Amino acid sequence: GAVVSQHPSRVICKSGTSVKIECRSLDFQATTMFWYRQFPKKSLMLMATSNEGSKATYEQGVEKDKFLINHASLTLSTLTVTSAHPEDSSFYICSARDILRAGSNQPQHFGDGTRLSIL
Amino acid sequence: AQSVTQPDIHITVSEGASLELRCNYSYGATPYLFWYVQSPGQGLQLLLKYFSGDTLVQGIKGFEAEFKRSQSSFNLRKPSVHWSDAAEYFCAVGANSGGGADGLTFGKGTHLIIQP
Repeated sequence: GAVVSQHPSRVICKSGTSVKIECRSLDFQATTMFWYRQFPKKSLMLMATSNEGSKATYEQGVEKDKFLINHASLTLSTLTVTSAHPEDSSFYICSARDILRAGSNQPQHFGDGTRLSIL
Repeated sequence: AQSVTQPDIHITVSEGASLELRCNYSYGATPYLFWYVQSPGQGLQLLLKYFSGDTLVQGIKGFEAEFKRSQSSFNLRKPSVHWSDAAEYFCAVGANSGGGADGLTFGKGTHLIIQP
């Protein structure tokens, strides 16, 4: 089945550091990937839609300069949390859709998430 | 704007008993509906999805869900739960972007506890 890999699975860093999270589709191509954020014991909130070769589309209230998204290839999207602060600590999850099977109403495939902790 | 309501934050069920997790959605057209399960510290696993057609959808691990347009509901059911079913369950709705759902809107989740 379709596999989405996220790296790293966990990162702890100091306040002010920038952190990059990778989302890869391992066995399929994805023109569109999605980034979600999940607070402890809370639901997932869509942050942005990452489009290969173009700018990401951010949801209302998400700072695009804070959360930089790059989707340079059909199998890789990256989320960079710039100048991270403790309030950015969260669980970040990406998902991707298989473009070759899009016509058959394929669901999104989710990565295992990245636990970000800012000290 | 679309929204999803999961009215039960926690549900406790005895092992072997039946289960029903409630989900109500708000969406202007025919929605794409999903149920995902999440174990602690893990990502999401798709249990089942509804795009069109038969309103009773079969999923993995013995789960099923029924789409009821008149009630705007998509409740998840399982006839007999196992201890390994203990997890967080999320209902989600997505817009049709021509071949697949766009970014999903999730409910707040239902935490399922299994009693021995």
